[in-house]
Amino acid sequence: GAGVSQSPSNKVTEKGKDVELRCDPISGHTALYWYRQSLGQGLEFLIYFQGNSAPDKSGLPSDRFSAERTGGSVSTLTIQRTQQEDSAVYLCASSSAGSDTEAFFGQGTRLTVV
Amino acid sequence: GENVEQHPSTLSVQEGDSAVIKCTYSDSASNYFPWYKQELGKRPQLIIDIRSNVGEKKDQRIAVTLNKTAKHFSLHITETQPEDSAVYFCAASRGGSYIPTFGRGTSLIVHP
Repeated sequence: GAGVSQSPSNKVTEKGKDVELRCDPISGHTALYWYRQSLGQGLEFLIYFQGNSAPDKSGLPSDRFSAERTGGSVSTLTIQRTQQEDSAVYLCASSSAGSDTEAFFGQGTRLTVV
Repeated sequence: GENVEQHPSTLSVQEGDSAVIKCTYSDSASNYFPWYKQELGKRPQLIIDIRSNVGEKKDQRIAVTLNKTAKHFSLHITETQPEDSAVYFCAASRGGSYIPTFGRGTSLIVHP
């Protein structure tokens, strides 16, 4: 079966433009996470969707960042008015149940803001 | 919230040596402790995990130990090989709506 799929793999955008990053989780997985990883750094939590519960948005760094998950499946992370410090790899992960089950990561989207 | 500390940040060993990475956590309700390996340019992948009802788990050359009283857990890699070189992340979680909290990662370098 397919794993977690993210698109695009790479995105170069001009400062000030908006970008949308897409995540297709493993079918049937109820939990979905977004993380950000800057070069050589750890995993910075952004947002967590679990089933029909309200998402945990506590990791979003500013109001320029938002995410939605439609129909309990595909998720989109939107960054408005991108800044150079937004440059990073954005990783999506999904797990079959809650956060006490294995997280399967996508290959990430490398975002470069020029 | 949960706080996970991971040490060391960098670990350099000779091929064949053992490597130990340690993590501490703060939330006594955490009950799931996975370890992820991230090779250069790749996605993190689970290599081993342990739940709070056991103290040790082994899978070939890797093992994880958990001390609930002291709130720390460790990853042990024996007979290290160059392909073990990667960044290793520990995490702690209590399930449900609680987010998993990751350590900052350990860069393991195995010299041939």
